[in-house]
Amino acid sequence: KAGVTQTPRYLIKTRGQQVTLSCSPISGHRSVSWYQQTPGQGLQFLFEYFSETQRNKGNFPGRFSGRQFSNSRSEMNVSTLELGDSALYLCASSLTGTNPNYGYTFGSGTRLTVV
Amino acid sequence: GEDVEQSLFLSVREGDSSVINCTYTDSSSTYLYWYKQEPGAGLQLLTYIFSNMDMKQDQRLTVLLNKKDKHLSLRIADTQTGDSAIYFCAESHSGGYQKVTFGTGTKLQVIP
Repeated sequence: KAGVTQTPRYLIKTRGQQVTLSCSPISGHRSVSWYQQTPGQGLQFLFEYFSETQRNKGNFPGRFSGRQFSNSRSEMNVSTLELGDSALYLCASSLTGTNPNYGYTFGSGTRLTVV
Repeated sequence: GEDVEQSLFLSVREGDSSVINCTYTDSSSTYLYWYKQEPGAGLQLLTYIFSNMDMKQDQRLTVLLNKKDKHLSLRIADTQTGDSAIYFCAESHSGGYQKVTFGTGTKLQVIP
């Protein structure tokens, strides 16, 4: 079965712009989580969605937002981009999200560079 | 809050065993994971262990858990050049919705 698909793979934006990243989870997976990965901070949890509802949120400013559609696809949006938002954004899907014992399946990520 | 720590770098010779260590602070951690990240890719789940287990073996991988010391290790037997990657330890707990806390990652370099 197809894996987790993230688009685009690479993105270059200018400070002050906004960006939307997309994630299609594994078919049948209803939970989608987003992480920001940077060399200095490692993997930081952004948020988790299940059945179109945000159930959990990390410590990021309100410029970071997301949503999930009825087909479980998810998007995350970052407004008013800052240089520090340059990172690899990873999407991870799991079946339900409430029993994480089976772990995530990650996409390959979107590499965002803010100039 | 939760915190997961790992050493940053490990170098081993091909054919030797690698041992990657991790410590965590959350005593209520229920699930502990090891993920592997190759350059330009997302994270791949290698294995996981429940907190009521001491050891789990899966082919070349052996996971040891010392719950008293909150210490987790991953042993890779007969390490190959294809094992060169960054390895992340992670933890989560039951109850509440999924939020996995990752360690900083250990970069494993395998020398031919």
